[in-house]
Amino acid sequence: DTEVTQTPKHLVMGMTNKKSLKCEQHMGHRAMYWYKQKAKKPPELMFVYSYEKLSINESVPSRFSPECPNSSLLNLHLHALQPEDSALYLCASSQDIAGGQDTQYFGPGTRLTVL
Amino acid sequence: AQSVTQLGSHVSVSEGALVLLRCNYSSSVPPYLFWYVQYPNQGLQLLLKYTSAATLVKGINGFEAEFKKSETSFHLTKPSAHMSDAAEYFCAVSDRNNFNKFYFGSGTKLNVKP
Repeated sequence: DTEVTQTPKHLVMGMTNKKSLKCEQHMGHRAMYWYKQKAKKPPELMFVYSYEKLSINESVPSRFSPECPNSSLLNLHLHALQPEDSALYLCASSQDIAGGQDTQYFGPGTRLTVL
Repeated sequence: AQSVTQLGSHVSVSEGALVLLRCNYSSSVPPYLFWYVQYPNQGLQLLLKYTSAATLVKGINGFEAEFKKSETSFHLTKPSAHMSDAAEYFCAVSDRNNFNKFYFGSGTKLNVKP
């Protein structure tokens, strides 16, 4: 099973709201990723977690706060977002981060709209 | 530093025709290369990957790609296009020295005409 699940599928929020995106995998992967994808663009890396520790933060604004409660779960907490943050948010996981040859398996994404 | 260039943001073929999507890479070390497909409002699905074993890599849905070091290329091909192949295709190279970070190309949208 190579499934990564994401909830919710769609999310509409105001600029003052606080919401969270959830990602889950049960493949025993030790690396998890958050990406942001705007229309007609490739995914942009936001965060990488390895063994539940934050390894990469691609200078993402603090209104995005990642959390990795355990090796199967990855959350992205959202607060005081801007309309330009509207995008498809993708979660991915891979066996590990060492070596570079591990496939990243992507979830279906959460379509976020900020009003 | 790693990077990927996909030539042609849009490619249009007739059903049954050859599909050729181009990807050129830049890497300071032997690369690991990936092709993903994305259907509208969905995540990315792995088509195939190159990890320095065979230079001709076969993937899902009849796709294959050939790694050519001399041309720094990893072009994706399919002998006969099907309507269901219409989607966005991304080539990516991974950075083995930086937490398996992927560098994606800008993507190629494949249109298949009946």
